[in-house]
Amino acid sequence: DTAVSQTPKYLVTQMGNDKSIKCEQNLGHDTMYWYKQDSKKFLKIMFSYNNKELIINETVPNRFSPKSPDKAHLNLHINSLELGDSAVYFCASSQDRSQAGGYTFGSGTRLTVV
Amino acid sequence: SQQGEEDPQALSIQEGENATMNCSYKTSINNLQWYRQNSGRGLVHLILIRSNEREKHSGRLRVTLDTSKKSSSLLITASRAADTASYFCATDLFGNQFYFGTGTSLTVIP
Repeated sequence: DTAVSQTPKYLVTQMGNDKSIKCEQNLGHDTMYWYKQDSKKFLKIMFSYNNKELIINETVPNRFSPKSPDKAHLNLHINSLELGDSAVYFCASSQDRSQAGGYTFGSGTRLTVV
Repeated sequence: SQQGEEDPQALSIQEGENATMNCSYKTSINNLQWYRQNSGRGLVHLILIRSNEREKHSGRLRVTLDTSKKSSSLLITASRAADTASYFCATDLFGNQFYFGTGTSLTVIP
C-alpha cells in the first residue's frame, strides 16, 4: 500500500492552462504539505495543512490554490500555468505539526509547461 | 532563508569506501533531519537528530550535530552501489516546518 500517493506522475501542458494534482495519504497523519523541487533539486515549501486547516502559505503566486477536503487529502490546483511552473511537485505528510517523526513523501509529479 | 546547505554538492566514491557529507545552517534549530532521494523518486526519511543530541546511529548511517558550529554531518560506512542518491538535510525553526538544502549527489561506483 502506497503511504502517500499523488497523481498524475507526469503532466505536460501548455501555457495558460489550468491543472490539478491530487494527493492522498493513508497513514492517518494530521499534517500535509506541498513542496516544489526545481531543476537544481532545491525543495521549497509551498503550503501546509493541519487537519484541513491552512497553517503555512509561503510566498507562492495566488495562481496556486491548495484544497484539503479532509485530512487525508491535499490537492493542488494551478491556474494560468507559466513556463516557470515547470518543476517536480511533492506532496508529503507528517504525523502532526511537530514533524518529530519526519515527513513521508509521495513520489512526485513532474510538471512540464510548454 | 532558513535552509540547510549541503557540502559537497557532488561526491563520487568506490564501493566499500565511506561517504561523508555535511550540512550547515544559519539559525538555532529544534531538530535536523536527513533524507535520501533516489533519481525520479520522492524523499525518504533517514534519521532525525534533536538539538540536545550530538550523535545518532542507524545501521550504516552515523549523524553528528554540532550546534555551536551550526553544522551536521552524515557518514555512510561501507558504501554500496544502492546508496547512490541525493542526500538532503532539513532544518526547522522551532515549531515551524522543515527547510531543505539543495542536497549532495552521491555516486557509489561498483
